[in-house]
Amino acid sequence: DVKVTQSSRYLVKRTGEKVFLECVQDMDHENMFWYRQDPGLGLRLIYFSYDVKMKEKGDIPEGYSVSREKKERFSLILESASTNQTSMYLCASSLWDRAQGGAFFGQGTRLTVV
Amino acid sequence: QQPVQSPQAVILREGEDAVINCSSSKALYSVHWYRQKHGEAPVFLMILLKGGEQKGHDKISASFNEKKQQSSLYLTASQLSYSGTYFCGTATGTASKLTFGTGTRLQVTL
Repeated sequence: DVKVTQSSRYLVKRTGEKVFLECVQDMDHENMFWYRQDPGLGLRLIYFSYDVKMKEKGDIPEGYSVSREKKERFSLILESASTNQTSMYLCASSLWDRAQGGAFFGQGTRLTVV
Repeated sequence: QQPVQSPQAVILREGEDAVINCSSSKALYSVHWYRQKHGEAPVFLMILLKGGEQKGHDKISASFNEKKQQSSLYLTASQLSYSGTYFCGTATGTASKLTFGTGTRLQVTL
């Protein structure tokens, strides 16, 4: 059974804290993605990675950074958490070619910044 | 830029049909469709490639009009289990980012 696992389902952090969200996939996928999901706004891409140590900005990268040191692991970093980063964060992985199949999503991390 | 989905929400009685549309201002390489049930992760339904093919999955099918950069998802004889939020995801190239629309909330009632 294929899996994308996010380290936490719920997190509560204080404004200004550095926050790490971890994601691990066991499908040997080349691509990994971080999205945030907010009511009425759908899924918005923060960053994606197409290979180890390679990354590209998505549509809303401001305030975030990422790290991919190993193929199976993709981390999202909030350098200084702010209340407007309270959201559901979803990690996903897929094969390299967008024609080869869909993305598999983790269960999500609901982050609350207070 | 996110693809545009319509309608935003639809309520159906069991057995009725629905169509969800997705349009993009960019030339697309592929269109993906996902369903997300409340409290769960989005689940991949199907992918359509440029070339205008139509795909089917049980009573759920989809088409892709390459000229208009539009895709439609067809749900026929809807079942209660079809309830959820449907997202289209679009890609402009083989290794490009996957961008999602704002979603269409579908509710099927008895």
